Amino acid sequence: EAGVAQSPRYKIIEKRQSVAFWCNPISGHATLYWYQQILGQGPKLLIQFQNNGVVDDSQLPKDRFSAERLKGVDSTLKIQPAKLEDSAVYLCASSLSREYNEQFFGPGTRLTVL
Amino acid sequence: GQSLEQPSEVTAVEGAIVQINCTYQTSGFYGLSWYQQHDGGAPTFLSYNGLDGLEETGRFSSFLSRSDSYGYLLLQELQMKDSASYFCAVRDRGRDDKIIFGKGTRLHILP
Repeated sequence: EAGVAQSPRYKIIEKRQSVAFWCNPISGHATLYWYQQILGQGPKLLIQFQNNGVVDDSQLPKDRFSAERLKGVDSTLKIQPAKLEDSAVYLCASSLSREYNEQFFGPGTRLTVL
Repeated sequence: GQSLEQPSEVTAVEGAIVQINCTYQTSGFYGLSWYQQHDGGAPTFLSYNGLDGLEETGRFSSFLSRSDSYGYLLLQELQMKDSASYFCAVRDRGRDDKIIFGKGTRLHILP
């Protein structure tokens, strides 16, 4: 069974530029999560989708971050414009549904904002 | 508000047993999970406790006491490959459906 796929693995941009990350969850997984993990800290949930609907986005900085999961499968997370403090690893995870507590994480995208 | 507390670092000897504690404060506690993360790697799921008591999976066990808002992860027969960060995570279904991770416990294992 293929795992959660993410791309790109690394991205370096300058502040005020835009960036987008892509995630393809495990086939059949209805719930998809985007996390931000700053070095030395635990993952912080940004947004949670159930199929193509948003379950929780209370910690997503909506003035600059957006995410979509149009067909209930893969998802994109965008930052526009980026700030220095957005430097982090962005992790995508999926689970069978909200009722299943085991989340499977992708390898992450390491973003550096200069 | 919501918060989780776990020790920032723990050191143990290969072959020994170590316990990593986690205390939490949430408005709508639903369950406690544990994840392992090696440097540069992605978190991997270890265990979940929805009810009070002990869950055992091989060398790893996890315990939950809902009345004390407390849980722990127990690692037995420590191996060098267990050197990693361990995160507790709470599912809070109070006002919405949130997952909150602790800041992580860095486990150092000495030979």
